[in-house]
Amino acid sequence: GENVEQHPSTLSVQEGDSAVIKCTYSDSASNYFPWYKQELGKRPQLIIDIRSNVGEKKDQRIAVTLNKTAKHFSLHITETQPEDSAVYFCAAVPNGNNRLAFGKGNQVVVIP
Amino acid sequence: KAGVTQTPRYLIKTRGQQVTLSCSPISGHRSVSWYQQTPGQGLQFLFEYFSETQRNKGNFPGRFSGRQFSNSRSEMNVSTLELGDSALYLCASSLDGRGHAEAFFGQGTRLTVV
Repeated sequence: GENVEQHPSTLSVQEGDSAVIKCTYSDSASNYFPWYKQELGKRPQLIIDIRSNVGEKKDQRIAVTLNKTAKHFSLHITETQPEDSAVYFCAAVPNGNNRLAFGKGNQVVVIP
Repeated sequence: KAGVTQTPRYLIKTRGQQVTLSCSPISGHRSVSWYQQTPGQGLQFLFEYFSETQRNKGNFPGRFSGRQFSNSRSEMNVSTLELGDSALYLCASSLDGRGHAEAFFGQGTRLTVV
């Protein structure tokens, strides 16, 4: 099955700086890559996603890039704010399937 | 539009007991997936139901089972509870079963086994 690796496990950034989280996946059949943000005690919330026919997608301060050849994708958060502090999960979904294979998560701490 | 609703929010059970968790998906969504979240293992896929049929199953023992009803509501059952089953159980609903639609999570059921 799909195996997703997520690095680094913890990331501390100064408010206003950028944060980048990288994930790799193993199954070349995966074609959908969502990112979830989970605040303490809350549900994971979808913040951005990308499909395999696209190399980059942006939504305000958040962007995701995908390199299908290298099988990795990254989340970029610019101008970080304290409310960006959370655990971020990447996931990969094989074609024709709803089974999300998650990375282990990345704790992002934005220091005011 | 109401989100994904899971009940109950919290449960405390004793080893050996069984438990049933419920998930009501977003109206119109036909796919419901279940995940177990623990600090050590992260989010792990349990199973997915679409149109009352189990389509995918993760690597969990047979003590974990589920079903889906005609209104797309789903239940998950864990029998003969073990201490290691203590976790946050999340369900996610999607519009269809082809991996084309976003998955939205419920708030989860926090199960504690003592």
